[in-house]
Amino acid sequence: SSELTQDPAVSVALGQTVRITCQGDSLRRDYPSWYQQKPGQAPILVIYGKNNRPSGVPDRFSGSNSGYTASLTITGVQAEDEADYHCHSRDSSGNQGVFGGGTKLTVL
Amino acid sequence: EVQLVESGGGLVQPGGSLKLSCATSGFTFSGSAIHWVRQASGNGLEWVAHIRSKTNNYATAYTASVKGRFSVSRDDSKNMAYLEMNSLNTEDTAVYYCARPTYYFDDIGRLDWYFDLWGRGILVSVSS
Repeated sequence: SSELTQDPAVSVALGQTVRITCQGDSLRRDYPSWYQQKPGQAPILVIYGKNNRPSGVPDRFSGSNSGYTASLTITGVQAEDEADYHCHSRDSSGNQGVFGGGTKLTVL
Repeated sequence: EVQLVESGGGLVQPGGSLKLSCATSGFTFSGSAIHWVRQASGNGLEWVAHIRSKTNNYATAYTASVKGRFSVSRDDSKNMAYLEMNSLNTEDTAVYYCARPTYYFDDIGRLDWYFDLWGRGILVSVSS
């Protein structure tokens, strides 16, 4: 399957740790990239590869993979982390992209 | 400034056509692929298509739902990429983004990519 599955919504208390997951067959071989998207804005890259953060992304964001599941972990969640988070990987052909359905993170 | 700017969106009737443009600046466009990603209101992101660079023979790929209806192209002399959309239907209504990928080889030598630059997006509405 070329699909990636994410929980539609997750909530977390301010300052706590949250794990946002992405499941799919392709994740057995691939590390997904993760994107944060706030309302009315374009996505921005937060994690790529094994666990790489672009310049400017806080180190509270980290990524990991285990089997068919990849996770984006935010340690010590801040109010500004409230957003939609999307995972992306290649499909089974390796030539096309596929996104998960996105997870809406609410910070309580 | 390194940026992507989409244009050409708007309201079109079902069965109609529209051509989106992606103006690029601040980086070597000719050496870069461009991907198109769309997002229907309240939905997640959907990968649509890509066009690679001259070095990669301007290779293209499309998601199944647009194959045969959409066409990607580029003009390296103008630093522009295009998404031509034909036979539009209501399910094509979305914000369309162009995005720049960075390709890399993973730890076992497979080619992978991530999107490190996105445009602001442009709305395409298909309605009668």
